[in-house]
Amino acid sequence: DIVLTQSPVLAVSLGQRATISCRASQSVSISSINLMHWYQQKPGQQPKLLIYRASNLASGIPARFSGSGSGTDFTLTIDPVQADDIAAYYCQQSRESHTFGAGTKLELK
Amino acid sequence: QVQLTESGPGLVHPSETLSLTCTVSGFSLTGYSVYWVRQPSGKGLEWMGRMRYNGDTSYNSALKSRLSISRDTSKNQVFLKMNSLQTDDTGTYYCTREGPQWRVMDAWGQGASVTVSS
Repeated sequence: DIVLTQSPVLAVSLGQRATISCRASQSVSISSINLMHWYQQKPGQQPKLLIYRASNLASGIPARFSGSGSGTDFTLTIDPVQADDIAAYYCQQSRESHTFGAGTKLELK
Repeated sequence: QVQLTESGPGLVHPSETLSLTCTVSGFSLTGYSVYWVRQPSGKGLEWMGRMRYNGDTSYNSALKSRLSISRDTSKNQVFLKMNSLQTDDTGTYYCTREGPQWRVMDAWGQGASVTVSS
């Protein structure tokens, strides 16, 4: 199975940039298509798709969210961070079956 | 408007079988695949399995021996059955849609909370 590794917590100040990383145990790319996606989950709510295929913004998601990366290393950036962005963020690969990272909890400094 | 709604018993006894229903609207089960994902209490997400738009199924290898996914397209429903439940199966169970982008879960139900306890 492809294992995804995320840092458990990231502390950030409002208005600053947050960079959340996800590293895969093997490449999640197929023919230059990066099968890595990002979800946001607030307490008591279901996850919501933010970014698909590493860098594509899902419908209705604000432009302060962006994604980058290829192969095994991927990043979700939130710039600037707003109070409504305090949540857990999960990366997920669909290269081989589907696995999720353990999540990064975004907290306020 | 795309909607998925999970339903089922909130409490299941150890060693018994969990049965959940995902009722969808706003899209057709013959045009889109539906996944099941679960989240143990306070923990991360685990993909369980998939009902493809053509009726094929696939399962997480770790759960395959206990899991079955089926559907009734006339009722717009996808079903999950998992047997031999234990306490570590306690958590929230979500159904999700694979959207127009291949293998991307673009819509999620609100989740069904399941507690395994005697």
